[in-house]
Amino acid sequence: DAGVIQSPRHEVTEMGQEVTLRCKPISGHNSLFWYRQTMMRGLELLIYFNNNVPIDDSGMPEDRFSAKMPNASFSTLKIQPSEPRDSAVYFCASSLASNTEAFFGQGTRLTVV
Amino acid sequence: LAKTTQPISMDSYEGQEVNITCSHNNIATNDYITWYQQFPSQGPRFIIQGYKTKVTNEVASLFIPADRKSSTLSLPRVSLSDTAVYYCLVGDSQTGANNLFFGTGTRLTVIP
Repeated sequence: DAGVIQSPRHEVTEMGQEVTLRCKPISGHNSLFWYRQTMMRGLELLIYFNNNVPIDDSGMPEDRFSAKMPNASFSTLKIQPSEPRDSAVYFCASSLASNTEAFFGQGTRLTVV
Repeated sequence: LAKTTQPISMDSYEGQEVNITCSHNNIATNDYITWYQQFPSQGPRFIIQGYKTKVTNEVASLFIPADRKSSTLSLPRVSLSDTAVYYCLVGDSQTGANNLFFGTGTRLTVIP
């Protein structure tokens, strides 16, 4: 398996634009996590899915952020409209179950100017 | 939610054994303890997980005392490539998930 695949690897966008980050989890994994990492706040959990259902989205900063998992092999994190303070590295991770080892993707480095 | 406390940073010479201790005073009965390693520009990578006593794998050992209020990650004979940030996590009893909340981590620097 190629591991967790995220796209794009880098994204530069202007303030106010919509940004969509994509994640393909490892096949057979039932849990999927989206994280954001910045120097100031470290690694923050944004949202966590189990069997395609959002379980905990308390980490989603505000209504500008939304995440979907339409099927077991794909998830998106959307920011609309984007703001400079959204600049960060966004990681997607998946695991067989919610209490087992999580495998992280390479991340998407988002820069909002 | 059980929080974790770790030293912000540690330095060690190559070939030394490194022990990183994590405090989790409010750990719940069903919580597991998990450690991850993160290199710059990469996502975290699982190192080891345990519930009590001692767990050992090809990379590290994890020591957990009987009260489970702390844990120690032990890295034998570190090399320069072990320079990374190490995170300690405990499970979330409400959801049963073990991979949710990363603390500040410990930045380990291995010196030649």
